[in-house]
Amino acid sequence: TQLLEQSPQFLSIQEGENLTVYCNSSSVFSSLQWYRQEPGEGPVLLVTVVTGGEVKKLKRLTFQFGDARKDSSLHITAAQPGDTGLYLCAGGDTDKLIFGTGTRLQVFP
Amino acid sequence: GAVVSQHPSRVICKSGTSVKIECRSLDFQATTMFWYRQFPKQSLMLMATSNEGSKATYEQGVEKDKFLINHASLTLSTLTVTSAHPEDSSFYICSARYGTSGELFFGEGSRLTVL
Repeated sequence: TQLLEQSPQFLSIQEGENLTVYCNSSSVFSSLQWYRQEPGEGPVLLVTVVTGGEVKKLKRLTFQFGDARKDSSLHITAAQPGDTGLYLCAGGDTDKLIFGTGTRLQVFP
Repeated sequence: GAVVSQHPSRVICKSGTSVKIECRSLDFQATTMFWYRQFPKQSLMLMATSNEGSKATYEQGVEKDKFLINHASLTLSTLTVTSAHPEDSSFYICSARYGTSGELFFGEGSRLTVL
């Protein structure tokens, strides 16, 4: 069974701080996706990484896919209250997308 | 981007009744849709894959007679929770696969509360 473990599980920080969320697995994934979910809503896709070692930037968010395609990280620079939400990594084909355990981020003004 | 909509967004029902949740792809056709369940403060768990014109494929541990899925058209899949019990209370989310890229778009979710 493929599992995706995220760490930390919870993160509370002040506005302006930097943070990194990790997504780890013992399995190799052809691609990994990162989603952000706000309370009472469905997840919204942030990025898809497909190549080992790949780094993608989305404004203040930097995503990295591990060389072995077993892990990924999300780094947020100068976090803002609007970044608050549940961050989910997900791997595998869309036929069988497996979601990570989730990281709940709270950014205080 | 493509839009997926769920209805209702919130539903409260009495124990023993059945509840139907709709998932629609508003601006594209989706031969495959997926249903997930999410407990408070937890991640999404895939329940079943809904295929247009054929039977749904259920994940291990999901009761197919409890959670009836129908994908009668290329833009609509429905999830019916039959004889609902309080333990069925949860946030149910659907997604639809868009185009050849296979990117998934998610609905807004439906919160079911069974009293």
